[in-house]
Amino acid sequence: GAVVSQHPSWVICKSGTSVKIECRSLDFQATTMFWYRQFPKQSLMLMATSNEGSKATYEQGVEKDKFLINHASLTLSTLTVTSAHPEDSSFYICSASPHLTGGYQETQYFGPGTRLLVL
Amino acid sequence: GEDVEQSLFLSVREGDSSVINCTYTDSSSTYLYWYKQEPGAGLQLLTYIFSNMDMKQDQRLTVLLNKKDKHLSLRIADTQTGDSAIYFCAEREPGGYNKLIFGAGTRLAVHP
Repeated sequence: GAVVSQHPSWVICKSGTSVKIECRSLDFQATTMFWYRQFPKQSLMLMATSNEGSKATYEQGVEKDKFLINHASLTLSTLTVTSAHPEDSSFYICSASPHLTGGYQETQYFGPGTRLLVL
Repeated sequence: GEDVEQSLFLSVREGDSSVINCTYTDSSSTYLYWYKQEPGAGLQLLTYIFSNMDMKQDQRLTVLLNKKDKHLSLRIADTQTGDSAIYFCAEREPGGYNKLIFGAGTRLAVHP
């Protein structure tokens, strides 16, 4: 159980185009989803926290107009990189926390990541 | 602010035990996690420990927590080549949003 998928797994696009990445929790409902960015040989940098039905909370330094996040349902969140540029090339990873009733431990389960290359 | 630190690299011989260390700064953290990342993949949750525990064992994995020193370790017994990966320590940030603060990751290399 607790499987999170991402689509696409990799994408190459031209500079100036927009790219949408989907994150789905396959066998559980996720109240909260997180979007991370990882540069080569570095740790994960949290970009934003997404709660179903409300606006995402962005970390300091992350442009919300550049990285649009939509969490329309308890199983789907999307990250759209608008007007992508080569410096946006990175590995984007999402995670999801199960919606637990009465539970107090909300583990984050991670997707396999999406590698974006902007030419 | 919160900070999580790990050594960056560990090399062990196949069959030996590996010990990956981590220090954190926020004493009010409730949960501490170990994740594994293989090349080009996402993060796999290996294990976690609640802050009122000192030790947790799960098959080949043993987690030790020293709250006084804010030190967390992951021991992998009988390390195999398939254990080669990057291991991330993470603490759960206090508050209601389940945010995780990650260390830089320890690259474990297992050689014959």
